[in-house]
Amino acid sequence: AQKVTQAQTEISVVEKEDVTLDCVYETRDTTYYLFWYKQPPSGELVFLIRRNSFDEQNEISGRYSWNFQKSTSSFNFTITASQVVDSAVYFCVLYNQGGKLIFGQGTELSVKP
Amino acid sequence: ETGVTQSPTHLIKTRGQQVTLRCSSQSGHNTVSWYQQALGQGPQFIFQYYREEENGRGNFPPRFSGLQFPNYSSELNVNALELDDSALYLCASKDGGFSSGNTIYFGEGSWLTVV
Repeated sequence: AQKVTQAQTEISVVEKEDVTLDCVYETRDTTYYLFWYKQPPSGELVFLIRRNSFDEQNEISGRYSWNFQKSTSSFNFTITASQVVDSAVYFCVLYNQGGKLIFGQGTELSVKP
Repeated sequence: ETGVTQSPTHLIKTRGQQVTLRCSSQSGHNTVSWYQQALGQGPQFIFQYYREEENGRGNFPPRFSGLQFPNYSSELNVNALELDDSALYLCASKDGGFSSGNTIYFGEGSWLTVV
């Protein structure tokens, strides 16, 4: 079964707090890709990061960082010093050899001033 | 700005009607896929086209059909609209097949309301 689980439906933080969005995935494929997308209220899905199944290196990009662990099938996303503009729905996505994106249910992040 | 444009952005249709949604993919991208996103849900895969051929389909009935043109733009057609078809329809494009692992870019979507 191919599945992505984002257990946190909604998270609310105060500006400048750090926040981690959890993602657990299931796949039998040995080659796959994982993505995170951000969806503001306008609806467009904004690409944040891509990671392939052979690259477990963690990555930091400004205030964003990602922790990929194949042993636990997790690909967690951390925002450091959150800002109001970070408020959006965040999707963890699995791209499998069938050529389709499998989305988690999304985590709605609300950052309050 | 992803280079993927969709039209129309919003539309209202009556149950039983037909609708065509259009997508212009990013220049050079030969793979386009369509997703349906109901309110409060993650997007669901409808189908994918690679070089004008359908090469993957999700759990959607045949009244959902599509086309990809030689310039790699695409259409999604939905016949006999039902109330549950009300959703945001997203088009995504990328260069190359699965193994390329290239980034997939999305358009802003078409909001369809069926009344």
